[in-house]
Amino acid sequence: EIVLTQSPGTLSLSPGERATLSCRASQSVGGRYLAWYQQKIGQPPRLLIYGTSIRATGIPDRFSGSGSGTDFALTITRLEPEDFAVYYCQQYASSPITFGQGTRLEIK
Amino acid sequence: QVQLQQSGPGLVEPSQTLSLTCAISGDSVSNNKVAWNWIRQSPSRGLEWLGKTQYGSKWSNDYAVSVRSRITINPDTSKNQFSLHLNAVTPEDTAIYYCVRDYKWAFDIWGQGTVVTVSS
Repeated sequence: EIVLTQSPGTLSLSPGERATLSCRASQSVGGRYLAWYQQKIGQPPRLLIYGTSIRATGIPDRFSGSGSGTDFALTITRLEPEDFAVYYCQQYASSPITFGQGTRLEIK
Repeated sequence: QVQLQQSGPGLVEPSQTLSLTCAISGDSVSNNKVAWNWIRQSPSRGLEWLGKTQYGSKWSNDYAVSVRSRITINPDTSKNQFSLHLNAVTPEDTAIYYCVRDYKWAFDIWGQGTVVTVSS
């Protein structure tokens, strides 16, 4: 099973700042098999990025994904108030499909 | 647009079977470009993928090892829906359950979620 470890656990920033979230895999994950999600309280996760760097439909261009192998990142430039939420990475390279434990992005 | 509507009980007694249904609109359960999944979320286990069903030249399933002996996911082409059956439940199965479509190796469409509590 591929374990995904996200860091930091909590990130405290102010609106307008830049956020960088990390996701490290226990084994190499092909680029097409890494995705990122945003989840707000009381809602299901929402797909932000798939294939490491492809924005899902309707996702603003302040969200971007990068990485390869075992190290991946989600970057949010110019944080908006609605961006404060929990973010998860997910791999589909091998079964079982797994998620990271999440990074909470909170307002400083 | 594609929507998933979940239905099923929110309370299940220990040792019984948890059964949920996911009705699909705007897509087909037989679409061979996607797969239909169940994922659950709890404070103790986080987001946990349970399994999927998909149609290629025939129907195939894949299940997480953690629940493989207890889970069945079935497509229903006549009603354009799919279902989850998880038997011999314990309080550890208490979670929010989601039905989810995956396309290009990512989960792009989610159901609204069903809070399931296992308790007598």
